[in-house]
Amino acid sequence: KAGVTQTPRYLIKTRGQQVTLSCSPISGHRSVSWYQQTPGQGLQFLFEYFSETQRNKGNFPGRFSGRQFSNSRSEMNVSTLELGDSALYLCASSAPGAGANVLTFGAGSRLTVL
Amino acid sequence: GQQLNQSPQSMFIQEGEDVSMNCTSSSIFNTWLWYKQEPGEGPVLLIALYKAGELTSNGRLTAQFGITRKDSFLNISASIPSDVGIYFCAGQLPGAGSYQLTFGKGTKLSVIP
Repeated sequence: KAGVTQTPRYLIKTRGQQVTLSCSPISGHRSVSWYQQTPGQGLQFLFEYFSETQRNKGNFPGRFSGRQFSNSRSEMNVSTLELGDSALYLCASSAPGAGANVLTFGAGSRLTVL
Repeated sequence: GQQLNQSPQSMFIQEGEDVSMNCTSSSIFNTWLWYKQEPGEGPVLLIALYKAGELTSNGRLTAQFGITRKDSFLNISASIPSDVGIYFCAGQLPGAGSYQLTFGKGTKLSVIP
């Protein structure tokens, strides 16, 4: 069974640009969550999607957005990039019956903003 | 925002030794989870705890959900080199979504063969 797949694994952008990250969840998983991981702040919740609807949102500015498609694949977008957006962006998928709160993470997309 | 205070930040231990790490908070949590992250990978779930006082084992790992619901600990017995990594505690606050977890800053474990 394939795990959570995130693309691209690494990318470099400059300030002011925008970026789109993609996540393919485990087959059958309908919930997709996104987290930002930085050395200073650790892992912080961005948002969670289920059946193409955003169910929960963390405390991030509106420059951070996401969406989910009918096949459960998800994308997140960051517009007007700032240096502080450099981070590892982790996607995780979840399935009912797998245990409450159980997240299966992908390997992440490492974004560097110059 | 809510914080989980995880300690120690890092540990250097000899292979075969036991390890203990913990997380505390001023807030009550509904759930406590422990994850391990290795370089270049995402966190992997080790143990999930759902009831105050619950003690759960997974091989050499044992974790407990504190009675006050404000803390949790993870013990690793007889450490081996593959235990190296960063261990994170995480919890679900009351009112938060099921997958809207609050994470500690991590304990970096190094094992000396």
